Amino acid sequence: GQNIDQPTEMTATEGAIVQINCTYQTSGFNGLFWYQQHAGEAPTFLSYNVLDGLEEKGRFSSFLSRSKGYSYLLLKELQMKDSASYLCAVSSNTGKLIFGQGTTLQVKP
Amino acid sequence: GAVVSQHPSRVICKSGTSVKIECRSLDFQATTMFWYRQFPKQSLMLMATSNEGSKATYEQGVEKDKFLINHASLTLSTLTVTSAHPEDSSFYICSANHLQDFGEGSWLTVV
Repeated sequence: GQNIDQPTEMTATEGAIVQINCTYQTSGFNGLFWYQQHAGEAPTFLSYNVLDGLEEKGRFSSFLSRSKGYSYLLLKELQMKDSASYLCAVSSNTGKLIFGQGTTLQVKP
Repeated sequence: GAVVSQHPSRVICKSGTSVKIECRSLDFQATTMFWYRQFPKQSLMLMATSNEGSKATYEQGVEKDKFLINHASLTLSTLTVTSAHPEDSSFYICSANHLQDFGEGSWLTVV
């Protein structure tokens, strides 16, 4: 079967660093995406990993280990506006995206 | 700017009627588009893959006769919810073939 797991909720403090983990078991792998979704809005693209290692983009970084079926999204210097849901999604060999249930991050002052 | 556009952003319809949602690729030709549905506090679920010039591929459990998909051109795919019921009320989102951009989404409320 296909399964993508990520924590349901996380809380962090403004200015801090938070790591959101994602583990996956899918039939076929063509890359892993992270999206940010604010309430009532469509997801926006954050990162894409297809090879092992760390991809850094400003305050956001994403890591992938294909052998472990594991990824994480790292958010640095947290801001209040980072409060949102973060979706981990795996692209299968057919190009379909399979989404995890999403992690709701609450940033507190 | 946005590369995938959806319309309408919000629609309310009466139970039993049909409603059409459009998904357009703005700067590129999209041979494949994907339609997702998202219920409150849940993640996105793929409904179907829309293929230009051919029939859509539906995910298991999605009724193809209820959710009609037409991809008649390289820049437009439409999703028609037929005989809508209150349980069809949801957030419908499309994405185009490079998967990195979603449309703005369409909120459907069936009353």
